[in-house]
Amino acid sequence: NAGVTQTPKFRVLKTGQSMTLLCAQDMNHEYMYWYRQDPGMGLRLIHYSVGEGTTAKGEVPDGYNVSRLKKQNFLLGLESAAPSQTSVYFCASCGLAGVLETQYFGPGTRLLVL
Amino acid sequence: AQSVTQLDSQVPVFEEAPVELRCNYSSSVSVYLFWYVQYPNQGLQLLLKYLSGSTLVKGINGFEAEFNKSQTSFHLRKPSVHISDTAEYFCAVSDRGGANNLFFGTGTRLTVIP
Repeated sequence: NAGVTQTPKFRVLKTGQSMTLLCAQDMNHEYMYWYRQDPGMGLRLIHYSVGEGTTAKGEVPDGYNVSRLKKQNFLLGLESAAPSQTSVYFCASCGLAGVLETQYFGPGTRLLVL
Repeated sequence: AQSVTQLDSQVPVFEEAPVELRCNYSSSVSVYLFWYVQYPNQGLQLLLKYLSGSTLVKGINGFEAEFNKSQTSFHLRKPSVHISDTAEYFCAVSDRGGANNLFFGTGTRLTVIP
């Protein structure tokens, strides 16, 4: 039981390049989330999903797209990376009971955009 | 909309001394409250949460927090800290919506001094 895993762990991109961050969970959780963490700003929600095939915007969705084609995976895409997207990205998941459930976090992906 | 304020960005404390990390929230609706801990280069881990009932909540690793509705606060306390408590601590609030979205404070870095 690996919990929530994220790949890659670290990536360097040039401005304008694209990439996809993968989040996988093996707990059969319905809800999944993508956050970004920036110094002095805590974690901010980018996008989330309340079930397979559904996605919704969070607090800071601009410049990102997501997909939830399989229940266990939640992909975060950057179509044209910008230096402002340099951050640490965390994925989280929780079960069907929503607020009564704990969100479980992955170890994070460090992204540097030059 | 919900927001969380963590008043102290850094808190140094000597080993075996007590500590209090402050958290205030603002919301127009009833909320659920959480404290998460982040150890270096790791994801977030839930320390404790307040959903309803007793206003004093006990969590893991000897931490506890008290919900004070009139002061809109949810301060985290530990009577005697250990070196291993050195970490970043995040307060978060959920709007009790169906998607269990969390809004995080900016974090407090606790450093335990030997």
